[in-house]
This record gives sequence, C-alpha cells and structure tokens, in this order.
Amino acid sequence: DVKVTQSSRYLVKRTGEKVFLECVQDMDHENMFWYRQDPGLGLRLIYFSYDVKMKEKGDIPEGYSVSREKKERFSLILESASTNQTSMYLCASSLGGLTNTGELFFGEGSRLTVL
Amino acid sequence: AQKITQTQPGMFVQEKEAVTLDCTYDTSDPSYGLFWYKQPSSGEMIFLIYQGSYDQQNATEGRYSLNFQKARKSANLVISASQLGDSAMYFCAMRGLINAGNNRKLIWGLGTSLAVNP
Repeated sequence: DVKVTQSSRYLVKRTGEKVFLECVQDMDHENMFWYRQDPGLGLRLIYFSYDVKMKEKGDIPEGYSVSREKKERFSLILESASTNQTSMYLCASSLGGLTNTGELFFGEGSRLTVL
Repeated sequence: AQKITQTQPGMFVQEKEAVTLDCTYDTSDPSYGLFWYKQPSSGEMIFLIYQGSYDQQNATEGRYSLNFQKARKSANLVISASQLGDSAMYFCAMRGLINAGNNRKLIWGLGTSLAVNP
C-alpha cells in the first residue's frame, strides 16, 4: 500500500521555537510538496521539491525553509515559530514528468498550534 | 495566470440523490489536467477523479463522474446516489502539462463543503 507518512499528527510549540515537520514517501516519487491549510483559504503551497537537494518556493514561503537530502524525505522547518503559523500542514508527493497525471498523494496532515 | 474557482462554499443533498459540485478554471496552457479531491473531517486528502484536457470522454470512477465542458472551462463533479460518508470538503485542482513552470504543481480551488442529509 503506497504511503506518505507525516511524523506528527498534532504538535504544540511555543513562540520562537524551532519546529521540524517530517514527511516520508515510499513511492519513489520525484516531487514532494508542503502545503498549509487554513479555513476559508484552501491549500496554499509553501515549498516544493522536484529532486533531491532541489527546492522551489511556493506561494507563501516566508517564515519557512525545507530540506530534501534523500528522495523519500522532505522536511519543513519553522526557524522561529510564530502564532500565525498555527495551521494544518499537509505533505504530498507525485511522480515527475508529463506523461502521467501528476496525481498528488497526501499524508494525514500535521496540526500545529503555536502558543 | 492559472486559476480555479469553486463558487459553492457549501452544499446540502439528500441521501441517495445526485449532487453536482461546480468548478471553473482558467489557464493559458493548451494541455492540462483536472482533479477532484475529497477531504473528510479526518483531514486526509483523497484523490477521486482525473480528466485530461484532450480526453475524448468524460471521466468516471464508480459513483463519481466529471462533467467536462472545455469551451465553458468547467469541470463539475457529479456524485450519484449520495451516501452519508460523502459528507466532506471537495477540492477541484488543475495542472498544466506544457509550461515547465506550471507542470509540477497543482492549482487549487477553495473547496465546497458537502453535507449529506439522512
């Protein structure tokens, strides 16, 4: 069964803390994505990666960084968490190339609360 | 610019009836793909159905079908014989298949919340 696994379903952190959200996929997908989801705002892309060590900014990269040292793992880092980063974070992966649909496979999500 | 519009923030349907969720899109890509995802209250996004812009027939997957009208730039999701478990958020999304800047990521609508009444 193909799978995208996010390290934590629920996290509570304090303002200023460094936060790591980990995502692992077992489908050998080239592309990996980090989204945040807030009520009324839909899914907003933070960063994505189309290859190991490659990354591109999404729509809302400010306050975040990412790391992709291995193909299967894509980490989202909040260097200094702030209350406005309280949100649901969704990781996804997809096959690369134009000959496939580009369907995204999602993890279960990580709900982060910053106090 | 690419854009997805879902005009129905919320919908109600009676169990066993059919329901149509609207999605319109805008893109400059001559070739593109359209997706529908379901998100139950548990939070996980579930892929439902895909339509390629050059597919001759409308896509179907079980009780889900996509009413694709290319000239109108619409890709409405039809759910037949609604079940209580269909209550969820539904998102329409699009991916360009030509422009290298567009083809790796999906553009998302804001979603429609569907409630199925017993």
